[in-house]
Amino acid sequence: SQQGEEDPQALSIQEGENATMNCSYKTSINNLQWYRQNSGRGLVHLILIRSNEREKHSGRLRVTLDTSKKSSSLLITASRAADTASYFCATEGFTGGGNKLTFGTGTQLKVEL
Amino acid sequence: ETGVTQSPTHLIKTRGQQVTLRCSSQSGHNTVSWYQQALGQGPQFIFQYYREEENGRGNFPPRFSGLQFPNYSSELNVNALELDDSALYLCASSATGGSGRWNEQFFGPGTRLTVL
Repeated sequence: SQQGEEDPQALSIQEGENATMNCSYKTSINNLQWYRQNSGRGLVHLILIRSNEREKHSGRLRVTLDTSKKSSSLLITASRAADTASYFCATEGFTGGGNKLTFGTGTQLKVEL
Repeated sequence: ETGVTQSPTHLIKTRGQQVTLRCSSQSGHNTVSWYQQALGQGPQFIFQYYREEENGRGNFPPRFSGLQFPNYSSELNVNALELDDSALYLCASSATGGSGRWNEQFFGPGTRLTVL
């Protein structure tokens, strides 16, 4: 089963605009990660934020985490056509064995020229 | 490119058949996880192998099984294929930290399985 939901399911913006995607999850976590997937191919790791962190930056990416609301957001600034992809949040909770990732349902981002 | 490879890229099978998917982990990684991604959905955790032993399993029936070899490569086997097994199968490799902490997972390009 999915851990949670991404919102919106789909987002279409113009190049240069900012894109914000939200993720909600259900259980306690060790960390939350965001991944990008192009055209149903492999997942590319974007950024990891730990449960004791509230905000993290990486290049044009900004991630926030609110553990009290069990939610996270991913902001992509100054978007480019190459950012067109599906974006997934994934939570990692230590279950006594390994680092199972539980993914959300994804947001499809389309950046138009 | 993550250094994680999967084979084959695409596969078409008939309901009831068996399939084996393969994954070569990134150099230096000792952990492989397998995920199933149905069309339009996020990946779902199948199981994880660490040092050749299963180390965590998701909500998948026993007809999904796996192996990890001494070189840390891995296989996913699915018996008695069903139509709903049609999906993209992703493997991810990772390495434990010295304190037992689990690190970032690097995903392969996936194997697209179609069951007719």
